[in-house]
Amino acid sequence: GESVGLHLPTLSVQEGDNSIINCAYSNSASDYFIWYKQESGKGPQFIIDIRSNMDKRQGQRVTVLLNKTVKHLSLQIAATQPGDSAVYFCAEAYSNSGYALNFGKGTSLLVTP
Amino acid sequence: EAGVAQSPRYKIIEKRQSVAFWCNPISGHATLYWYQQILGQGPKLLIQFQNNGVVDDSQLPKDRFSAERLKGVDSTLKIQPAKLEDSAVYLCASSLLGNLGTDTQYFGPGTRLTVL
Repeated sequence: GESVGLHLPTLSVQEGDNSIINCAYSNSASDYFIWYKQESGKGPQFIIDIRSNMDKRQGQRVTVLLNKTVKHLSLQIAATQPGDSAVYFCAEAYSNSGYALNFGKGTSLLVTP
Repeated sequence: EAGVAQSPRYKIIEKRQSVAFWCNPISGHATLYWYQQILGQGPKLLIQFQNNGVVDDSQLPKDRFSAERLKGVDSTLKIQPAKLEDSAVYLCASSLLGNLGTDTQYFGPGTRLTVL
């Protein structure tokens, strides 16, 4: 069936470097995408979202890129900090499912000093 | 602003027992969601409420799971009887209106259930 997946289960970066977390989706009908950050023992925390009529959206130290041609989503974190260490999930939503979010499996980001 | 509250934070039960989880959404949020997150996976939607009505419960195992939001505010999720595969974190989330692309879903800390 349709699914949202992540290319890499773990990512290790040095403090100060930029991080890129990738996500592939298979449902071409998806029109809304969100990135969440989940720290151990906590619920997912919203980071940034993007609609399908956009290619790029920037937030504070984060940028989300959407490539609809290859159904690919990425999250870029600038100047990664130890506090960025967490599991990152991409999620998609599409109108024929109401407002339900379909989450991928997650990428664990580890920031080393 | 207070976040989404959930209790208990942890629960350990034996299979075939019953368990209930409670969620208090952010004040004023009309839409409430229950998700199941199995270790190493992303959250999976179980049920979505708009005020006190069910919007989507297509992935809720209705033979053992039930949920209610009687007054359109707090919600309870119940499992009866529990199975080993129900071991997971149960997350509650809420959003202001539930409008796609305009509302953010805010998650609570979750209840970690272990079924022995």
